Amino acid sequence: DTGVSQDPRHKITKRGQNVTFRCDPISEHNRLYWYRQTLGQGPEFLTYFQNEAQLEKSRLLSDRFSAERPKGSFSTLEIQRTEQGDSAMYLCASSPRTGHGYTFGSGTRLTVV
Amino acid sequence: DAKTTQPTSMDCAEGRAANLPCNHSTISGNEYVYWYRQIHSQGPQYIIHGLKNNETNEMASLIITEDRKSSTLILPHATLRDTAVYYCIFQRSGGSNYKLTFGKGTLLTVNP
Repeated sequence: DTGVSQDPRHKITKRGQNVTFRCDPISEHNRLYWYRQTLGQGPEFLTYFQNEAQLEKSRLLSDRFSAERPKGSFSTLEIQRTEQGDSAMYLCASSPRTGHGYTFGSGTRLTVV
Repeated sequence: DAKTTQPTSMDCAEGRAANLPCNHSTISGNEYVYWYRQIHSQGPQYIIHGLKNNETNEMASLIITEDRKSSTLILPHATLRDTAVYYCIFQRSGGSNYKLTFGKGTLLTVNP
């Protein structure tokens, strides 16, 4: 499979718990992105990595959110002390250094109860 | 502050052409028009992009007006599997402009 993989597909957690999601991009893509999507809305940009460097974080990404891409390959997105407002689909995407178009994963749907 | 305007929803009969419009009057000269679609419970899927000229690939055709203020995505023979939300967005090529700004898109429903 040469697509973008995200794990898990679904996550239900209790308010206040920490959760971590993983994204495996297309291997030759050096750019990796996280987006969040709530019901009825388009995806919203959260953060961007070029190789292992996190080059931008959206203001949507509060201090409870942290993303890493330690070796420039897979990435993790952690949410600490989850709140009900964090319930959303978290999408990962990757793109090549040159050329056009993102490839998105199928997302991780987070439900905070 | 979405920069594109799309109808909220459209219907199309199976086998007919689906023409999805997008207005983007504020597009800059170096910004490409991109189309993505999102089938329920999946991530967005790239369809096609263009700068000035009309483009065609195995999925769709993209018609961009001469003034670049609007475009139309054409699915020549819509199938039930084309039912999805279609997003029209801008992106500059290269450099540091890597973010995609999605609006709410157009929900296309293909009916049997």
